[in-house]
Amino acid sequence: AQSVTQLDSQVPVFEEAPVELRCNYSSSVSVYLFWYVQYPNQGLQLLLKYLSGSTLVESINGFEAEFNKSQTSFHLRKPSVHISDTAEYFCAVSDAIRSGNTGKLIFGQGTTLQVKP
Amino acid sequence: EPEVTQTPSHQVTQMGQEVILRCVPISNHLYFYWYRQILGQKVEFLVSFYNNEISEKSEIFDDQFSVERPDGSNFTLKIRSTKLEDSAMYFCASTLRGTDTQYFGPGTRLTVL
Repeated sequence: AQSVTQLDSQVPVFEEAPVELRCNYSSSVSVYLFWYVQYPNQGLQLLLKYLSGSTLVESINGFEAEFNKSQTSFHLRKPSVHISDTAEYFCAVSDAIRSGNTGKLIFGQGTTLQVKP
Repeated sequence: EPEVTQTPSHQVTQMGQEVILRCVPISNHLYFYWYRQILGQKVEFLVSFYNNEISEKSEIFDDQFSVERPDGSNFTLKIRSTKLEDSAMYFCASTLRGTDTQYFGPGTRLTVL
């Protein structure tokens, strides 16, 4: 069975500081990896994803994540955060096996990023 | 940009009552999902639906739950007899292919009293 662990439930950081949100997964099969963001009182929005190819993936708002197969990690980073990045961040995994893949996502517990002025 | 919509945004019901949560997935999508998020906890997979049938369901999705795509556009989640522990945010999601990005709706907050 797959599982996702986000070790940090809350990450407080000052504006313009760098941040890393950690995500580790376990799976017996190849996986696709995702980061979703949830702003207050809103639904989940895809931030970035790794399906194949380059292990470093980037979002349009400056976040990046690196797939590390040997460490089974997909940590999310941003070199300089803004107040508007304050949100809940969820790491998720799904099977990369195409045949019979229902595409269900298994989520981590979430990390609250609190950006302070 | 196309989006997934859900109604109502908030539903309050008495324990034991039936509720139906409605979702309109993105029009050309073929795979549909329900997830729930109990307050303060992780988002949990409930069920996936493809080709007019359930393709996978979790342990949470017991006989009290059912899903339906009645008219080719709506995708509904019914809870037959709600319990207090069913109080949660319920998210609908859809995707074109099972391996693609899932697009989530804004959620329905279900409160069972």
